[in-house]
Amino acid sequence: DTGVSQDPRHKITKRGQNVTFRCDPISEHNRLYWYRQTLGQGPEFLTYFQNEAQLEKSRLLSDRFSAERPKGSFSTLEIQRTEQGDSAMYLCASLGQGHTGELFFGEGSRLTVL
Amino acid sequence: AQSVTQLDSQVPVFEEAPVELRCNYSSSVSVYLFWYVQYPNQGLQLLLKYLSGSTLVKGINGFEAEFNKSQTSFHLRKPSVHISDTAEYFCAVSASFQKLVFGTGTRLLVSP
Repeated sequence: DTGVSQDPRHKITKRGQNVTFRCDPISEHNRLYWYRQTLGQGPEFLTYFQNEAQLEKSRLLSDRFSAERPKGSFSTLEIQRTEQGDSAMYLCASLGQGHTGELFFGEGSRLTVL
Repeated sequence: AQSVTQLDSQVPVFEEAPVELRCNYSSSVSVYLFWYVQYPNQGLQLLLKYLSGSTLVKGINGFEAEFNKSQTSFHLRKPSVHISDTAEYFCAVSASFQKLVFGTGTRLLVSP
């Protein structure tokens, strides 16, 4: 069990560029979640997958955001045409079968849009 | 829908003093409750959870929380804090194990 890993840990980009974050969940965890956290706020739910199926998307996830989990293992979160308001920490978490509700979080990917 | 309120954005306390971090939730259905801690530059980790049964829940690092259904609260307590407890603490609620809804967090500042 190597934990949830996220890459990159930090990303600085210019407004209008596209960025992609990757999340590798704990192996065999079938649920994967994306959250966004801004300064002074708690994590806000963005979307989650059960295996490769995306089961729920928050209204926070605008058309510029897309998430995939093509083989039910790792996931990517892409933000197109970034805006300064997208600057945040993007958190990934996973949940296994037979779970008792505990999400295991990665250390996050911090995005700064200049 | 569920929501969580953490009224205290910051709680300063001296080392070895007791502390209580408040959490109130809102839900029209039964919920499961969680406290997570986030140390600087680290991911969130679970402190404790209430799923069912005893309303007093004990977690890691000497923390405990009590579920109070009538007051819709799940306050976190520790009888004696350490400098190393300085961190951000998040209360979270889930109705169905599908997703967690988090509060805005309470920053615990422990000074000598």
